[in-house]
Amino acid sequence: EAGVAQSPRYKIIEKRQSVAFWCNPISGHATLYWYQQILGQGPKLLIQFQNNGVVDDSQLPKDRFSAERLKGVDSTLKIQPAKLEDSAVYLCASSLTQILAGGRNEQFFGPGTRLTVL
Amino acid sequence: GNSVTQMEGPVTLSEEAFLTINCTYTATGYPSLFWYVQYPGEGLQLLLKATKADDKGSNKGFEATYRKETTSFHLEKGSVQVSDSAVYFCALSDAGGTSYGKLTFGQGTILTVHP
Repeated sequence: EAGVAQSPRYKIIEKRQSVAFWCNPISGHATLYWYQQILGQGPKLLIQFQNNGVVDDSQLPKDRFSAERLKGVDSTLKIQPAKLEDSAVYLCASSLTQILAGGRNEQFFGPGTRLTVL
Repeated sequence: GNSVTQMEGPVTLSEEAFLTINCTYTATGYPSLFWYVQYPGEGLQLLLKATKADDKGSNKGFEATYRKETTSFHLEKGSVQVSDSAVYFCALSDAGGTSYGKLTFGQGTILTVHP
């Protein structure tokens, strides 16, 4: 079974530029998560989708970050314009469903995209 | 809100030494608890989990017991190997409210095992 795919693996941009990250979850997984992992910290949830609907984007900086999951499969996370503090690894994860709350439904993580903003 | 606190790192051990990485949590409701591992250059992988009090999760020689009375989920291994060198994250997922299964992570503990 193929895992969660992410691209690109690395990206370097200047501040105020735009960047987009792509995620392809495991086939059949209804729930998709984007996490931000700043160096030396644990991942922090940015946004969670159930199929193509957003169920939690409370920690997404909506003035510069946006995400979509068209057709309930692939997802794109965009930053426009980027700031220095956006330098981090952006992790995508997927799970079968969110319905089995309480962690009984395992999340599978992709390798991440390492973003450096200069 | 929910939070997870891990022991400060990095942790450096010799091969075959005993490992403990402390983890405590704050949560509403009855969370599930996890340990994730991140090997160099790889993504996060689930190491073990426990979904209710007194449950013990185990995998690859690692163990952790869900202690509700002390709100802890310490990771242990009796004899570490060089291949265990990685970053370890403690995490929780709240069963109720609007969390919808999202994970709250600790800051991670870097483990280096020397031959």
